[in-house]
Amino acid sequence: DVKVTQSSRYLVKRTGEKVFLECVQDMDHENMFWYRQDPGLGLRLIYFSYDVKMKEKGDIPEGYSVSREKKERFSLILESASTNQTSMYLCASQEQGWYEQYFGPGTRLTVT
Amino acid sequence: AQTVTQSQPEMSVQEAETVTLSCTYDTSENNYYLFWYKQPPSRQMILVIRQEAYKQQNATENRFSVNFQKAAKSFSLKISDSQLGDTAMYFCAFMKHVYGGSQGNLIFGKGTKLSVKP
Repeated sequence: DVKVTQSSRYLVKRTGEKVFLECVQDMDHENMFWYRQDPGLGLRLIYFSYDVKMKEKGDIPEGYSVSREKKERFSLILESASTNQTSMYLCASQEQGWYEQYFGPGTRLTVT
Repeated sequence: AQTVTQSQPEMSVQEAETVTLSCTYDTSENNYYLFWYKQPPSRQMILVIRQEAYKQQNATENRFSVNFQKAAKSFSLKISDSQLGDTAMYFCAFMKHVYGGSQGNLIFGKGTKLSVKP
């Protein structure tokens, strides 16, 4: 079974802090994604990566950056956390050329 | 740009009965996939069912089936013999088919919260 893990289930940070959300997949997938999930808005794509050191902006990249130094790990970075970044963050991975995305359990981030 | 609309924010159904969740989408693409994903409370999102746009036959996975109307751009999910474990958020999603490499990104609807009542 594909396993996608995220470093924290719950995280509380203060405004202005730098925040790292980590995602690791164990299936050697080329593609990895970061989504943000908010009630009434569904999931929105923040960034994605098709290969190591490659990244592409999604629909809502403002205020976020990403890092992919190794194939199995995709990090989401909030350079200076703000209260409007309080949300559930979901990571997903996908084999290149295949349709299914596999999701991690999510990190519920609260910025106070 | 593609959009996915789920017009039912919440629904409920009695255990063992049948429920249909609605989804419409808008696209100018001809080759694409449609999906229903399920997110149980405090658990990971999983794929329930997929439909390739070029296939006329509606997809079925056990108690889950879809009604895919390509001309109407409609993609509803029917859950038969509902079970308590079907309680979850259900997301309809669209993916453009990209040739020669990676698949396109998923575009999600806003979700329908389904409650199955005993």
